[in-house]
Amino acid sequence: DTGVSQDPRHKITKRGQNVTFRCDPISEHNRLYWYRQTLGQGPEFLTYFQNEAQLEKSRLLSDRFSAERPKGSFSTLEIQRTEQGDSAMYLCASSSTYNGQEPYEQYFGPGTRLTVT
Amino acid sequence: QKEVEQNSGPLSVPEGAIASLNCTYSDRGSQSFFWYRQYSGKSPELIMFIYSNGDKEDGRFTAQLNKASQYVSLLIRDSQPSDSATYLCAVNGGGSTLGRLYFGRGTQLTVWP
Repeated sequence: DTGVSQDPRHKITKRGQNVTFRCDPISEHNRLYWYRQTLGQGPEFLTYFQNEAQLEKSRLLSDRFSAERPKGSFSTLEIQRTEQGDSAMYLCASSSTYNGQEPYEQYFGPGTRLTVT
Repeated sequence: QKEVEQNSGPLSVPEGAIASLNCTYSDRGSQSFFWYRQYSGKSPELIMFIYSNGDKEDGRFTAQLNKASQYVSLLIRDSQPSDSATYLCAVNGGGSTLGRLYFGRGTQLTVWP
């Protein structure tokens, strides 16, 4: 059983560029979550999917951020026109709803560390 | 605004002692509570979850929940230097935000030999 994987692990980009991150959840998990974490803070929720449906988005997810999970497997998070304030660790987590009872334990991937210069 | 509060620490205990980590939350609709361990530069790792009032034990870890007081804690018995990390308390959103977790800022624990 492999865990959640994320790619790339590190990304350095210049302000104004677009970046895209990928997350592959644990294979039997149907829910996938994106969080963002800055230094000294806990993770902040961005959005989550159940299968291919995006069920909830935080107001933190501005118009420059978009997430997709087209086939209900892997997901991508794109940030357009990056700003220095976007520098953070972007974390992906997954969970399974098959025990039928909310909420479900979320397991995190290793994260993608974004630095915007 | 749903809030999760933790003492930021640092909390320092000697090897073999009991470390006690505390967390309070604002949303009475929250149903489930999670403790994650995060080593420096790494991602959070789930170590405990609790859904019902009372205690839940797993090895050296005990989670305690008091919904009336909106309080959850984590006890680490026989603390080891390898337990040195930041411990994050997370609470589910409840209601329409049931899927998301709200995290505290974490408590930094140092276990010295």
